[in-house]
Amino acid sequence: EVQLVESGGDLVRPGGSLRLSCTASGFPFGNYWMSWVRQAPGKGLEWVAGIQGDEYEKFFAESVKGRFTISRDNAKNSMYLQMNSLRVEDTAIYYCARGWDWYFFDHWGQGTLVTVSS
Amino acid sequence: DIQMTQSPSSLSASVGDRVTITCQASQDINNYLNWYQQKPGKAPKILIYDASSLEIGVPSRFSGSGSGTDFSFTISSLQPEDVATYYCQLYTKVPPRVTFGGGTKVEIK
Repeated sequence: EVQLVESGGDLVRPGGSLRLSCTASGFPFGNYWMSWVRQAPGKGLEWVAGIQGDEYEKFFAESVKGRFTISRDNAKNSMYLQMNSLRVEDTAIYYCARGWDWYFFDHWGQGTLVTVSS
Repeated sequence: DIQMTQSPSSLSASVGDRVTITCQASQDINNYLNWYQQKPGKAPKILIYDASSLEIGVPSRFSGSGSGTDFSFTISSLQPEDVATYYCQLYTKVPPRVTFGGGTKVEIK
């Protein structure tokens, strides 16, 4: 069974940093694209970033480019999102998602909440 | 960037009704469109990919159609367990972008 578990969400001040993790199980992790998609409270979905299985390609939404980085450790079946220069508008539930390509999300975790507030 | 307009933003229908949601892209996106279902308090779930292909395990009452700029998603016979918010999602390869529609909240009348 495919399982994705996010962790690392917290309350952080504007301008601060946070690192999210996604731990996967139940499938050959290195064979899949992994992505982050977020959802502000009561709002719709927003794609954040995606990383290819071998890390060769990484894509970012314009809203986070230059502030967020994405990485993965296939030996640990884990993906990470390093978030710097956080803004109030980055407040959201951050979902980890799997896909056979960067634009397709066939399994999702349950999300981790990031709150940016002073 | 390509804009996506999803409508309606909400709807209420009776059990057994046929329900249709539309998404319109501001430019031709071929068939680069997926549909997701998100039940309250849960993560989204893929239902339809490439505009009209049904994901494995998804009931056949769900369907998608369209190409170019105009797309539709249909529930042929609404069931109580279909109460959810539905999102369309387009993607472009150059530049690499993913955009979700604003969502349609489906309720039972």
